[in-house]
Amino acid sequence: DTGVSQNPRHKITKRGQNVTFRCDPISEHNRLYWYRQTLGQGPEFLTYFQNEAQLEKSRLLSDRFSAERPKGSFSTLEIQRTEQGDSAMYLCASTAKATGELFFGEGSRLTVL
Amino acid sequence: AQKVTQAQTEISVVEKEDVTLDCVYETRDTTYYLFWYKQPPSGELVFLIRRNSFDEQNEISGRYSWNFQKSTSSFNFTITASQVVDSAVYFCALRSNTDKLIFGTGTRLQVFP
Repeated sequence: DTGVSQNPRHKITKRGQNVTFRCDPISEHNRLYWYRQTLGQGPEFLTYFQNEAQLEKSRLLSDRFSAERPKGSFSTLEIQRTEQGDSAMYLCASTAKATGELFFGEGSRLTVL
Repeated sequence: AQKVTQAQTEISVVEKEDVTLDCVYETRDTTYYLFWYKQPPSGELVFLIRRNSFDEQNEISGRYSWNFQKSTSSFNFTITASQVVDSAVYFCALRSNTDKLIFGTGTRLQVFP
C-alpha cells in the first residue's frame, strides 16, 4: 500500500454541475477525514468517518455537500450545484488511531467556472 | 475555543541560515496533541512531528528541532542550516478534545541558494 489515494486530481466544472471525489485510505486505517484548503490558508475540517459511520460534520459542509463511506473503506465527497466559492483543494486523510497523525493524499483540485 | 496561530506568513532565508517558525496554540483542554506538517509545491501534506501535552521535552531530528513550551502555549520549529529543498509551506496543527486536527494558516518558507 502506497498511501492515501485521491481522484480525480483535477476537476474543472461549470457552475451548477455536480462533482464527486473519491478517496482510498491506507488499508488498515479505520478513520478517514475530508478537509478543504483554499489558496493561502490552512486545511479546514469538513467531516470524518470511523469505519462507515460519519461522526462529525463541519458547519462548512452545507447541504450541497455529502460524504459517504459505505463499506468503511473508500469514501466519496459529492458537491451538488457547484458554486465558484467551492473552488479549492479537497484533501483526504486517514489514520489508525484517534490521537495519531493524519496521512494525507495529494488532494483533488476543483475549479468552478 | 481551539485555535492555532502562525503569525509569520512568509519567511525568506539564504541557504545555510537557521530559521525558526513560530506556532502559538489555544485550548482549554489539558490533554492535547500538536503537529507540524510540511506542504511542498507538489501539494501533499507531509507529517513531520507529533507531540502530546504531557511531554515537553524538546526534540531533534537531523536538522529539524522543536521547542514545546506550555507556559507560552508555543510549539516552535527550527530548521538548522536550511537548504533549498526545505522551501515549502509549513503548518502547525492542534488536536485536543475532538478527533479533528485544527490547522494554522501556515508559514511559507523560501530558501534561496
